[in-house]
Amino acid sequence: KNEVEQSPQNLTAQEGEFITINCSYSVGISALHWLQQHPGGGIVSLFMLSSGKKKHGRLIATINIQEKHSSLHITASHPRDSAVYICAVNPLTGGYQKVTFGTGTKLQVIP
Amino acid sequence: GAVVSQHPSWVICKSGTSVKIECRSLDFQATTMFWYRQFPKQSLMLMATSNEGSKATYEQGVEKDKFLINHASLTLSTLTVTSAHPEDSSFYICSARDSVGPYYGYTFGSGTRLTVV
Repeated sequence: KNEVEQSPQNLTAQEGEFITINCSYSVGISALHWLQQHPGGGIVSLFMLSSGKKKHGRLIATINIQEKHSSLHITASHPRDSAVYICAVNPLTGGYQKVTFGTGTKLQVIP
Repeated sequence: GAVVSQHPSWVICKSGTSVKIECRSLDFQATTMFWYRQFPKQSLMLMATSNEGSKATYEQGVEKDKFLINHASLTLSTLTVTSAHPEDSSFYICSARDSVGPYYGYTFGSGTRLTVV
């Protein structure tokens, strides 16, 4: 079992829909990251969380440390949001040097 | 925000040759950079941690003589794939953490797609 699990693996949505991607992890962490990887491969860091909630534009990320769970929400989804969204954690044992990645959620937003 | 420039974005090379990939932090100091490899439809996998001024730390199963890492300055780390073979074809990506400045998080390069023919 992977230390970081994401669901769903694939997601297709209509433009304008509210989207939620979930991430569960099994180890103690110092931080959790949400990343966006576009078809060309380039990766953009969206959020780094250690507690609570963060918002940036139409993106919202939440984390529940006790439940070892995080969600990434996209409001008013747009075709340009189509990408792979990756959850990653810094395990407590590795500090900020180590990052464990989930396998990603492939999102396709249809016009 | 913090920017990491990775070059080249793609490269095709002949089997047996060496390829160098550069990773530069443009507006912050990165005492530590990380090199990852990603096979199609798989997660990023950490290959090695590059520390400025010292030897890189390689993950288990990664051949340090094949994947040479040099981190000679606070803003530049290089990964050289030596004697490349078709099985080395993959997507390589670096990341860096701004450990001293105001940006607190990981910044990723745009990645390098290596094809060995």
